[in-house]
Amino acid sequence: GAGVSQTPSNKVTEKGKYVELRCDPISGHTALYWYRQSLGQGPEFLIYFQGTGAADDSGLPNDRFFAVRPEGSVSTLKIQRTERGDSAVYLCASSLTERGTQYFGPGTRLTVL
Amino acid sequence: GDSVTQMEGPVTLSEEAFLTINCTYTATGYPSLFWYVQYPGEGLQLLLKATKADDKGSNKGFEATYRKETTSFHLEKGSVQVSDSAVYFCASYNQGGKLIFGQGTELSVKP
Repeated sequence: GAGVSQTPSNKVTEKGKYVELRCDPISGHTALYWYRQSLGQGPEFLIYFQGTGAADDSGLPNDRFFAVRPEGSVSTLKIQRTERGDSAVYLCASSLTERGTQYFGPGTRLTVL
Repeated sequence: GDSVTQMEGPVTLSEEAFLTINCTYTATGYPSLFWYVQYPGEGLQLLLKATKADDKGSNKGFEATYRKETTSFHLEKGSVQVSDSAVYFCASYNQGGKLIFGQGTELSVKP
């Protein structure tokens, strides 16, 4: 079946702009996760959804970052007033259940000029 | 808080050489442990996992044993191939939804 998909694959924006990154999880997966991977580093946790609600958003770096999952499937990560330090690959993962194996999408590479 | 430390790369080996990538973790309690692999131009893929002490995860000739006494989960393969060239990430999962990743180890296998 289809894996986790993320759009766009690449996003270039200017400092101060607003961006939205989309994640389509594997069908039927109830849990959805966002991570951020900087160059040469491992992924770092941002936020986790169980169904429609954010179960843990402790990894969001500040209030410029926000994520939603209104119908318990697709999720959107929103970044306001982007900064050059936000440049990274944003990864989405989903799992069948809360403690299930996480399957990752290909990521969105965000570049803030 | 929980953390994962893995050996720094890059690691360069000749084909058919033995591979070890070290990984140690700190955690409260007993986490599940994972190795993920990222091939060039591709997303993260689960390679293997172990959920309790002394469990051995294995896949595609790779193995890792969950060692509680040394808090380690070292990745091994007896004979690497050029196609194994990738970045390998060790990760732990203890509670909640988050995976904690190491910084990654780049492996380059030369023919």
